[in-house]
Amino acid sequence: RKEVEQDPGPFNVPEGATVAFNCTYSNSASQSFFWYRQDCRKEPKLLMSVYSSGNEDGRFTAQLNRASQYISLLIRDSKLSDSATYLCVVNSDGGSQGNLIFGKGTKLSVKP
Amino acid sequence: EPEVTQTPSHQVTQMGQEVILRCVPISNHLYFYWYRQILGQKVEFLVSFYNNEISEKSEIFDDQFSVERPDGSNFTLKIRSTKLEDSAMYFCASKVEGGTDTQYFGPGTRLTVL
Repeated sequence: RKEVEQDPGPFNVPEGATVAFNCTYSNSASQSFFWYRQDCRKEPKLLMSVYSSGNEDGRFTAQLNRASQYISLLIRDSKLSDSATYLCVVNSDGGSQGNLIFGKGTKLSVKP
Repeated sequence: EPEVTQTPSHQVTQMGQEVILRCVPISNHLYFYWYRQILGQKVEFLVSFYNNEISEKSEIFDDQFSVERPDGSNFTLKIRSTKLEDSAMYFCASKVEGGTDTQYFGPGTRLTVL
């Protein structure tokens, strides 16, 4: 069974804090990895793709360890607007058309 | 910026009734997907569609479900005889052919079965 497991959260942090989310995936055939953000009762929105070399987008840094089947997301200098649920997502197979497998998400709440 | 659209935003129906959820994918996208999310649970894959046929479907996508691309723009999900447990958010997604694997999601249809 193909699964994605995440820290259950919730993470309650003050503005300006650095917070890290972790994720593991079970399907070794997965080739594409993402972090999506989901606000309450809204659709998932792509935050960033995750590459083997690691990648950064402003305050967000994602890392991938294929050997350990582990993905991480680091958010620096948290803003109130970062409050959301963060979904770790992988594709189901090595082909680019594969469906996505979602983790349950980790809820982040940034307080003033 | 082009986006996936879905209608209706909220559908309330009686158990046993048929519902059709509609999606307009991004215009140059060729892969289409339906996902659902039961309240408080994770997003789950239902079905993928490419070249006018189903590419893959999950065990959730049983005989009560069907998909169709009736014209060049719409992509529909039909549930023939709704059950209480079909109550969920239904998200449509689309993706370009080749290149990035990124799927773009519509705003969802909230289906409530009474």
